[in-house]
Amino acid sequence: DVVLTQTPSTLSATIGQSVSISCRSSQSLLDSAGNTYLYWYLQRPGQSPQLLIYLVSNLGSGVPNRFSGSGSGTDFTLKISGVEAEDLGVYYCMQATHAALTFGSGTKLEIK
Amino acid sequence: EVQLVESGGGLVQPGRSLKLSCAASGFTFSNYGMHWIRQAPTKGLEWVASISPSGGSTYYRDSVKGRFTISRDNAKSTLYLQMDSLRSEDTATYYCATEGYAPFDYWGQGVMVTVSS
Repeated sequence: DVVLTQTPSTLSATIGQSVSISCRSSQSLLDSAGNTYLYWYLQRPGQSPQLLIYLVSNLGSGVPNRFSGSGSGTDFTLKISGVEAEDLGVYYCMQATHAALTFGSGTKLEIK
Repeated sequence: EVQLVESGGGLVQPGRSLKLSCAASGFTFSNYGMHWIRQAPTKGLEWVASISPSGGSTYYRDSVKGRFTISRDNAKSTLYLQMDSLRSEDTATYYCATEGYAPFDYWGQGVMVTVSS
């Protein structure tokens, strides 16, 4: 199965600070048709996960534009430009290029 | 508004069976692929199984192949997960989720399954 490695595992930020989370894949996520099936989710404390970013860089429905995604091949980044209090939780990347969908191990964002 | 409500969880002994349900509303269920994802206590997310809109295609993670069966009843807008030969490592919160414009674009609230003697 494809392994997604997220760094850092924990991130502490102040309100208004910009932060980035890295997701590196053990295999390229670019398929033969030129598509890259990499997604980002946020799980707030005590809640179900929600979709933030789809296909590397597209904002999910209702997701604020302070979130952005980038990357290609095996290296991907989620950026939050100006952290807000409601952004605390655990962020997961997920790949759907290869059979057996896999998630990263998560990055916990704490607010200082 | 999309709503997904899981049910059927509980405490079950190793080797026994359990069937989860996910009642869907607020969208045309028969047009969407569906998934089950689980999360062991204090752990991360793990995809379990997927099913196509018609139910004609199903996919499983290796560790549940031959033990779990995903199915759907489009007339009832309900997704199922039949879990047989349960193991302690299957203990988790199980979420159902849709595949609309992206995998897991909407999630249920989750249902807890505990496998223990």
